[in-house]
Amino acid sequence: SQTIHQWPATLVQPVGSPLSLECTVEGTSNPNLYWYRQAAGRGLQLLFYSVGIGQISSEVPQNLSASRPQDRQFILSSKKLLLSDSGFYLCAWSDVRRKLFFGSGTQLSVL
Amino acid sequence: AQKITQTQPGMFVQEKEAVTLDCTYDTSDQSYGLFWYKQPSSGEMIFLIYQGSYDEQNATEGRYSLNFQKARKSANLVISASQLGDSAMYFCAMRENTPLVFGKGTRLSVIA
Repeated sequence: SQTIHQWPATLVQPVGSPLSLECTVEGTSNPNLYWYRQAAGRGLQLLFYSVGIGQISSEVPQNLSASRPQDRQFILSSKKLLLSDSGFYLCAWSDVRRKLFFGSGTQLSVL
Repeated sequence: AQKITQTQPGMFVQEKEAVTLDCTYDTSDQSYGLFWYKQPSSGEMIFLIYQGSYDEQNATEGRYSLNFQKARKSANLVISASQLGDSAMYFCAMRENTPLVFGKGTRLSVIA
């Protein structure tokens, strides 16, 4: 069966520091991968998605970036975090119907 | 314009009663899919139910059913026999030829 791992679960970072969140999927090959962000009490905003290695589509211009160095690995990064980057980050993969299967999320607090 | 609209920021329901969470969508595509997810306080997103635009029958999954009214572009979630564990945020989402787009959610509180 397919599983998705996302870490860390919580992260507290100072403004201006770098960020790296990692997500890996097991049990499937060539999945579509996604990064969503959820601000407190809000809906999910799509940040990036990828249909294959090295293929990244950005939905929202910002100081975040994403990379897919391996088929089942998706990384969210930033060189310098802003206060507005705080939020709950969710990684997901999708099946053929584009039903999303989510990781457990990372709560990022930028102070 | 918003693709997914959930007009109820919060809802209360008595335990064992049924509740309907509203969702309307906006698309000009003929082929699309509608999803409902539950997000408990732990933050995980749990898939509940899916309705394809060409599905003639309303989707059902246990105590969850989707009241799909295509002409009205609505896809309301009905939860029957509410339980305390149903207290959570509920998100409606749609896929066209794009990744899923989510509504802002409805917070459901089940009262004993």
